[in-house]
Amino acid sequence: DAGVTQSPTHLIKTRGQQVTLRCSPKSGHDTVSWYQQALGQGPQFIFQYYEEEERQRGNFPDRFSGHQFPNYSSELNVNALLLGDSALYLCASRQQGNSNQPQHFGDGTRLSIL
Amino acid sequence: LAKTTQPISMDSYEGQEVNITCSHNNIATNDYITWYQQFPSQGPRFIIQGYKTKVTNEVASLFIPADRKSSTLSLPRVSLSDTAVYYCLVVRYSSASKIIFGSGTRLSIRP
Repeated sequence: DAGVTQSPTHLIKTRGQQVTLRCSPKSGHDTVSWYQQALGQGPQFIFQYYEEEERQRGNFPDRFSGHQFPNYSSELNVNALLLGDSALYLCASRQQGNSNQPQHFGDGTRLSIL
Repeated sequence: LAKTTQPISMDSYEGQEVNITCSHNNIATNDYITWYQQFPSQGPRFIIQGYKTKVTNEVASLFIPADRKSSTLSLPRVSLSDTAVYYCLVVRYSSASKIIFGSGTRLSIRP
């Protein structure tokens, strides 16, 4: 049973470019959340998707957008990349209706902006 | 969601029991206390979760007093591979459950 998988594992971009990161949730999970983790910091919540809609959003600009597909997989898009966007981007999934089951995390995509 | 406070760092030795305490004074009735472990360049890994009293699994125990304003993660007989960052979280499992991470506790285990 595969856990949360993310692709790519590493990515290098330059300022001003756009990037798309991908996430496949753990089997049986229908809710996907995205987090940004800067070096030495805890993960920061970006947004959450359920039933193909953004349900919650953290304090991130509109340059950060996402999508959830009918198979529950998800994409994170970041436009007009800034140097400060360099971070580990984490995806987490859970089953919405399963009352107190915790989120499961993937190992992230390391994004470096030059 | 209740904010959590935990030590920035802790040191211990192989074979010792390690206890990491977390305070969450504003925890609400329906909130759970959840701990994650994170190694460098990996995602957080769920360790243990509890609501009240004591929870034990194969890797850790979680002690929660009656007022639920704090909790203690106990790692028995640690090894070098337990060196990691440990996050204490308060989680509210609603239709829009999100989790807020603090800075965690950086645990270093020495030989």
